[in-house]
Amino acid sequence: DAGVIQSPRHEVTEMGQEVTLRCKPISGHNSLFWYRQTMMRGLELLIYFNNNVPIDDSGMPEDRFSAKMPNASFSTLKIQPSEPRDSAVYFCASSRRGKPYGYTFGSGTRLTVV
Amino acid sequence: AQTVTQSQPEMSVQEAETVTLSCTYDTSESDYYLFWYKQPPSRQMILVIRQEAYKQQNATENRFSVNFQKAAKSFSLKISDSQLGDAAMYFCAIAGGTSYGKLTFGQGTILTVHP
Repeated sequence: DAGVIQSPRHEVTEMGQEVTLRCKPISGHNSLFWYRQTMMRGLELLIYFNNNVPIDDSGMPEDRFSAKMPNASFSTLKIQPSEPRDSAVYFCASSRRGKPYGYTFGSGTRLTVV
Repeated sequence: AQTVTQSQPEMSVQEAETVTLSCTYDTSESDYYLFWYKQPPSRQMILVIRQEAYKQQNATENRFSVNFQKAAKSFSLKISDSQLGDAAMYFCAIAGGTSYGKLTFGQGTILTVHP
């Protein structure tokens, strides 16, 4: 089991550019979560999917953020255009539906927007 | 809605000693799970321990144990025989009910272990 795989591990981009973060969940897991971690706001849930369907995107900061899950093994989080305040660590996590709940996190993508 | 509060931004402990990290929570769900996650400087989120709310027995994992007080909505983590490798940020989290298990985190406690 390779765990949850995120890419890239680090991303540095200029303000106004489009950024795409990628996530491959654990095979067999049918829930996927995107979190953002900052010093000021801690860990925030941005969006989560169940069976590839977005269930709750109330945490997405604004229209510049979008997330997709075209199939069970891949998800993207896109920021367009990026702004310096988007700088954070973005985590992807997956879990298997049903009890007991178990959430496995990827290693995160550190995004820096300059 | 569910919320988690960690009132200790920082804690420290001597190696081989015991330390307890505090966590309180609030939820309208009757069925939920509580978690402690560890985040070392590598930033990887590592599950330390998990407690099912309907189980009265406190969960234990080797040197890690919890004190789950359901009526008080308290879920503290005790680390026994602390080791240098325990130094990290610790997050308390809750996921509840018949929903799809959205995980809500506290603000975290930085644990320093002194040799």
